[in-house]
Amino acid sequence: AQTVTQSQPEMSVQEAETVTLSCTYDTSESDYYLFWYKQPPSRQMILVIRQEAYKQQNATENRFSVNFQKAAKSFSLKISDSQLGDAAMYFCAYRSGLFSSGSARQLTFGSGTQLTVLP
Amino acid sequence: DVKVTQSSRYLVKRTGEKVFLECVQDMDHENMFWYRQDPGLGLRLIYFSYDVKMKEKGDIPEGYSVSREKKERFSLILESASTNQTSMYLCASSLYGRESTDTQYFGPGTRLTVL
Repeated sequence: AQTVTQSQPEMSVQEAETVTLSCTYDTSESDYYLFWYKQPPSRQMILVIRQEAYKQQNATENRFSVNFQKAAKSFSLKISDSQLGDAAMYFCAYRSGLFSSGSARQLTFGSGTQLTVLP
Repeated sequence: DVKVTQSSRYLVKRTGEKVFLECVQDMDHENMFWYRQDPGLGLRLIYFSYDVKMKEKGDIPEGYSVSREKKERFSLILESASTNQTSMYLCASSLYGRESTDTQYFGPGTRLTVL
């Protein structure tokens, strides 16, 4: 079974600064997907960024980028120019890339990192 | 935009009651999921469904059942609610596809309190 670990329960960053959230995972598979989801206070969880394991290039979405280290099984999220609206719980998640019915489609989530943005 | 809705944002029930949590999605997604979210534990999968009338147990199915009679609707049932089922419940849906990355779209959540 795969596991996802987020070792930072809480993080804070000054507005306009850069912050990096850590995520490590454990898997014996070579084909998989990794995700960062954001859950703002009292609002719906939304996808921030996704990375396919077969792609060497790190994914980027505007101010959000990842540092994907496949050998180290590390998948950190970097938020540049932090804004007050970035304050949220951030979850790292894993999904197997194997095509099969049933459990292959489920996501395995980490425990989350609560990010506070200081004005 | 994908829209996933849940029948209640807040719900208070008593121990032993039968509880229904409803989830509806409007994007014709094949896959639907029920998670519970607890502090320090992240999201844990209770059940999921990849087609009408099809269901699979997740990591923590005990004490729960599900129903999917129509593609757009996925219900979570607590047959006899207990205090340890007090939690936030999140529904999600995703598109099925061999090449799909299966991005999951989430509902707003239902905060259930069992007294």
